[in-house]
Amino acid sequence: DVKVTQSSRYLVKRTGEKVFLECVQDMDHENMFWYRQDPGLGLRLIYFSYDVKMKEKGDIPEGYSVSREKKERFSLILESASTNQTSMYLCASSPTGTGFLEQYFGPGTRLTVT
Amino acid sequence: KNEVEQSPQNLTAQEGEFITINCSYSVGISALHWLQQHPGGGIVSLFMLSSGKKKHGRLIATINIQEKHSSLHITASHPRDSAVYICAGGGVSNFGNEKLTFGTGTRLTIIP
Repeated sequence: DVKVTQSSRYLVKRTGEKVFLECVQDMDHENMFWYRQDPGLGLRLIYFSYDVKMKEKGDIPEGYSVSREKKERFSLILESASTNQTSMYLCASSPTGTGFLEQYFGPGTRLTVT
Repeated sequence: KNEVEQSPQNLTAQEGEFITINCSYSVGISALHWLQQHPGGGIVSLFMLSSGKKKHGRLIATINIQEKHSSLHITASHPRDSAVYICAGGGVSNFGNEKLTFGTGTRLTIIP
């Protein structure tokens, strides 16, 4: 079974703090994704990566950055957290050749910025 | 306006009832996904289909490409089916990849 894990299920941070959300997958997947999920808006793509050290902006990259130093790990970074970044963050991965079409999701991190 | 619309947004039913959740999309897609999200957040893929019908246990998914419409049906519903069901269309992004466009989800509650 594919396993995608996220470092925290719940996280509370203060405005202005630097926040790291970690995602690890154990199936040697090439592609990894970060989404945020908000009520009434559905999942929105923040960034994705199709290889180590490669990244592409999604639909809402502002205020976020990412890092992919190893194939199995994809980190989302909030350089200076703001209250409008309070959300559920979901990581996903997909095998080589499937792009966005066969994504496996992690359990999510519910981030609250106060 | 979201390019992928689901209805209803919320659905409450008695155990045993037949459930239908609808998804309409306005974008060109190559595949449509049905996903299930349980309380706590984790998302599981139920179906990916590009034509016709797929069945897995008590779940059935259909798609009509001409009408840009898909339905997810649950037969003999059970309280453990209570979850948020999300449809997502796979289209072509600016990057040449099949970016997913997600609906906002249908919250299903099955009462014993």
